[in-house]
Amino acid sequence: EADIYQTPRYLVIGTGKKITLECSQTMGHDKMYWYQQDPGMELHLIHYSYGVNSTEKGDLSSESTVSRIRTEHFPLTLESARPSHTSQYLCASSEFSSDRGTEAFFGQGTRLTVV
Amino acid sequence: KQEVTQIPAALSVPEGENLVLNCSFTDSAIYNLQWFRQDPGKGLTSLLLIQSSQREQTSGRLNASLDKSSGRSTLYIAASQPGDSATYLCAVYTSGTYKYIFGTGTRLKVLA
Repeated sequence: EADIYQTPRYLVIGTGKKITLECSQTMGHDKMYWYQQDPGMELHLIHYSYGVNSTEKGDLSSESTVSRIRTEHFPLTLESARPSHTSQYLCASSEFSSDRGTEAFFGQGTRLTVV
Repeated sequence: KQEVTQIPAALSVPEGENLVLNCSFTDSAIYNLQWFRQDPGKGLTSLLLIQSSQREQTSGRLNASLDKSSGRSTLYIAASQPGDSATYLCAVYTSGTYKYIFGTGTRLKVLA
């Protein structure tokens, strides 16, 4: 069972508000990821991190920002939410092991609706 | 640039059938390939992971194979059940990028 948690699970918020989506993992993984997924569509990588104080933009341009101050915590922030940000946001973490390779574990996601 | 494609996009089968889902990728320089299941509105659950040096992995009624040289993987589901209804995603972890690139997914519906 993966130990990666996202809060909130659902969020409905007004345009212009600042929001932070939380993601925490208790597995001590160095690598963490944020994906964006519209209903019925594929996952797009928007941010990732190799470890503390490292963050990189993903393949899909996003107005969100991330930080990695602690290994276990990788929050995503939108300074001013817009209806175009309505989507599901999925957080993941991974670590290499010699017997398993590099396995990714996902949280349950945050469904964001901006009205 | 790595691209991952899954065929078919959707599949509907009667309960009890054996079925095969396909995943293809353009860059064979991968560390591993992982199959996931996603239920509507939920996160992803890992099903099987195949390292680049492996040919297949099995878990219960699921068997995943990998042919790295041809850029293909298949997920075989034996004796399908209505509870198997979900979207199945494959993802490749490409050497040197530290990223997982996902396929477009196959939406499976198993009819009782």
